[in-house]
Amino acid sequence: DTGVSQNPRHKITKRGQNVTFRCDPISEHNRLYWYRQTLGQGPEFLTYFQNEAQLEKSRLLSDRFSAERPKGSFSTLEIQRTEQGDSAMYLCASSPQGFETDTQYFGPGTRLTVL
Amino acid sequence: SQQGEEDPQALSIQEGENATMNCSYKTSINNLQWYRQNSGRGLVHLILIRSNEREKHSGRLRVTLDTSKKSSSLLITASRAADTASYFCATDRGTGGGNKLTFGTGTQLKVEL
Repeated sequence: DTGVSQNPRHKITKRGQNVTFRCDPISEHNRLYWYRQTLGQGPEFLTYFQNEAQLEKSRLLSDRFSAERPKGSFSTLEIQRTEQGDSAMYLCASSPQGFETDTQYFGPGTRLTVL
Repeated sequence: SQQGEEDPQALSIQEGENATMNCSYKTSINNLQWYRQNSGRGLVHLILIRSNEREKHSGRLRVTLDTSKKSSSLLITASRAADTASYFCATDRGTGGGNKLTFGTGTQLKVEL
């Protein structure tokens, strides 16, 4: 059973460029989460999917951010017109649905550096 | 915004000693979880304690939860150099359909040989 995978692991881009990250959750996990973590801080929630439906978005997710999960499997997170303040680690997590399955399993993250 | 605050921010101990980290949070919760993060990597789930539980054990880990004080503690016994990492508490309020986590600021643990 493979864990959550994220690609790319590192991304360096220039300010103003668009970037897209991919997350492949653990198979059969119908819940998928995106978090952002800046240096020295804990992760902060960005958005959450149940199957293909995006059910919640944080205020941190500005109009430049968009996330999709078109077939209820992998998810993409796109940042348009990147800013230096977007530099962070972007973490994806998945979990199965159910009362006894609240544990979220995290991927290795994508580290974004905006120059 | 961060829900929790871990205390201390940094902790340095010798191998074989016990390490205790504390977490305080602000709102009512469904459960509280502890995660470990090695430098620059993803988070590894350690243990989950529900709001109706007071203490839980897993191997060398012991977690307590005091909902009246809105606080939790993580004890790592007989620490090893491999335990060197950042430790985060995360709360799940259980609101809505999802189980989004709100993380604290973390405790950096260094275990020296």
